Amino acid sequence: DIQMTQSPSSLSASVGDSVTIACRTSENIKTYLNWYQHKPGKAPEVLIYGASILKSGAPSRFSGSGSGTDFTLTITSLQPEDFATYYCQQTYRSPSFTSGPGTKVDFK
Amino acid sequence: EVQLVQSGAEVKKPGESLKISCKGSGYSFSNYWIGWVRQMPGKGLEWMGIIYPGDSDTKYSPSFQGQVTISADRSIRTAYLQWTSVKASDSAMYYCARHLGIGDWGYCSSPTCYPDTWGQGTLVTVSS
Repeated sequence: DIQMTQSPSSLSASVGDSVTIACRTSENIKTYLNWYQHKPGKAPEVLIYGASILKSGAPSRFSGSGSGTDFTLTITSLQPEDFATYYCQQTYRSPSFTSGPGTKVDFK
Repeated sequence: EVQLVQSGAEVKKPGESLKISCKGSGYSFSNYWIGWVRQMPGKGLEWMGIIYPGDSDTKYSPSFQGQVTISADRSIRTAYLQWTSVKASDSAMYYCARHLGIGDWGYCSSPTCYPDTWGQGTLVTVSS
């Protein structure tokens, strides 16, 4: 399986802050990477696919970048509804679509 | 509206069998891969396997091969995840999700490959 790491594992921020979450993979996955937002009691939602493509309907304050083994998710001007856990996931090796351990974003 | 509706929460004893379901509506159920995803408490998302309801072609993640069975009945637009003998370590939330971008052989044909619709989740608790 492709191993996924994320950093940080958690972060505290305030409304209006910009935050960046990093994701690293154990092998080159080109741009086969998705970013998810997961809130308690709800199903995960894709925000970014193909490493940098914003899913239709997702807010434009979310952006993704990277290719190969290093990727980032940036949230500019954090909003109250953005406090959640974020996961990266590779889709390069099917069906072992492994995800990272998650980054919890909470209130400072 | 595209929807996936999962069966309700289950409480089982170790060694019991279990089958949970995921019913699709609002789209051509046979023509999209459905994946099952496990989330254990405090952990990340684990893809267990995927199934193409049109012909029941199924691909398992190596970690779950032999541990569960994924099936589908396209006549009633329903996918299933089943265990013959559950263990305490099977306690988790399980999601089904419709996937876009998976090609004929069960591989993502491009980086545009992601689950666009999720079920609400089925909580499985296994305890003696």
